[in-house]
Amino acid sequence: DAKTTQPTSMDCAEGRAANLPCNHSTISGNEYVYWYRQIHSQGPQYIIHGLKNNETNEMASLIITEDRKSSTLILPHATLRDTAVYYCIVRVYGGATNKLIFGTGTLLAVQP
Amino acid sequence: GAVVSQHPSRVICKSGTSVKIECRSLDFQATTMFWYRQFPKQSLMLMATSNEGSKATYEQGVEKDKFLINHASLTLSTLTVTSAHPEDSSFYICSAATGDRPYEQYFGPGTRLTVT
Repeated sequence: DAKTTQPTSMDCAEGRAANLPCNHSTISGNEYVYWYRQIHSQGPQYIIHGLKNNETNEMASLIITEDRKSSTLILPHATLRDTAVYYCIVRVYGGATNKLIFGTGTLLAVQP
Repeated sequence: GAVVSQHPSRVICKSGTSVKIECRSLDFQATTMFWYRQFPKQSLMLMATSNEGSKATYEQGVEKDKFLINHASLTLSTLTVTSAHPEDSSFYICSAATGDRPYEQYFGPGTRLTVT
């Protein structure tokens, strides 16, 4: 699976949009971009995934660049409860295993 | 839907004893379950993948005789830490995936193991 690079930490004001970047310059054509988040001392939570088109669900939007070498997770109106570590993971969909390899992630701190 | 539970949430055991952690998918059938370990201020590390009715596949460096995994049914997987030592103290997290939506893994709340 391709390697991802994320900033170690970010701050965001409550009520504003949080834009979390992820670089995956070695992504291959059949690899998807997944985002999970982990609130302190809890299990991770699936957020969204995509291949090349932008995706939106009730939690967030995922913007993938045309060359697919980077992506941005957008939380449109961040709340204090969105403070968590956000993980960007690249993997093959439906591969031999469904295992996820977590990197270090981005600690998003939403400030009041 | 898609709720995964773990039991116990916290456990303290003495060095040399064994401890079992249960992972249950409450409202779906989990064809695959995963076990992770997370040390303080570190990311999750995948320990093993288990498919119902078959032997678990362990990641490199994880001792299969020390971390026994059983996935006897589509809703239950167990991780037994045998002969636990203080360095096994960690946050253990399981996740589960269904066959029809393999890209979404549902994680349990985690089990905090402290070995004294």
